[in-house]
Amino acid sequence: AQKVTQAQTEISVVEKEDVTLDCVYETRDTTYYLFWYKQPPSGELVFLIRRNSFDEQNEISGRYSWNFQKSTSSFNFTITASQVVDSAVYFCALSEARIGNQFYFGTGTSLTVIP
Amino acid sequence: DAGITQSPRYKITETGRQVTLMCHQTWSHSYMFWYRQDLGHGLRLIYYSAAADITDKGEVPDGYVVSRSKTENFPLTLESATRSQTSVYFCASSEFLANTGELFFGEGSRLTVL
Repeated sequence: AQKVTQAQTEISVVEKEDVTLDCVYETRDTTYYLFWYKQPPSGELVFLIRRNSFDEQNEISGRYSWNFQKSTSSFNFTITASQVVDSAVYFCALSEARIGNQFYFGTGTSLTVIP
Repeated sequence: DAGITQSPRYKITETGRQVTLMCHQTWSHSYMFWYRQDLGHGLRLIYYSAAADITDKGEVPDGYVVSRSKTENFPLTLESATRSQTSVYFCASSEFLANTGELFFGEGSRLTVL
């Protein structure tokens, strides 16, 4: 079973629109960590955020915000006022404390921001 | 600059040949990982290492061999390359226990097996 599901394979938005990338995870652990990574067209993977399972407070960083809801096992990522530079593939990932040493990545959401 | 570097960045080889992808990190991170990225599959863990001389299988280890004689190096070897191993390979490292710290990735190695 997929531990991390990113149901949106591709999304296209027009510049300045807001966009939300969905991430649903599955775990039986009470202690776990969630991550978002960005992969721009150049190919490198860039860390965006880490959230542990005990911290459900939403986070905002500039135009980026993350909504963590344990009740729905979701960790969604919103980009406000999207820009062309936001075009990338975004990966959500889960790491479980009990097993450790393994990150489970979703299949990624490819975001295209149209100027 | 400190960081994690992979070589080669691009490699074309033929079926049956042995290929080694190199990974070097300068942070002295304990944990190192090899992932492959394929369309529709995201990133899948091949092997990981918790320290020098300690390695373990990930999700898709078949056809791959790793070693870690030094903390800073974690080479990945395809002993007899197959076309299904055509992929982009990412090396990563982590300072803390892997389940608490983020992964720092190399730039990737694009391997084509003909």
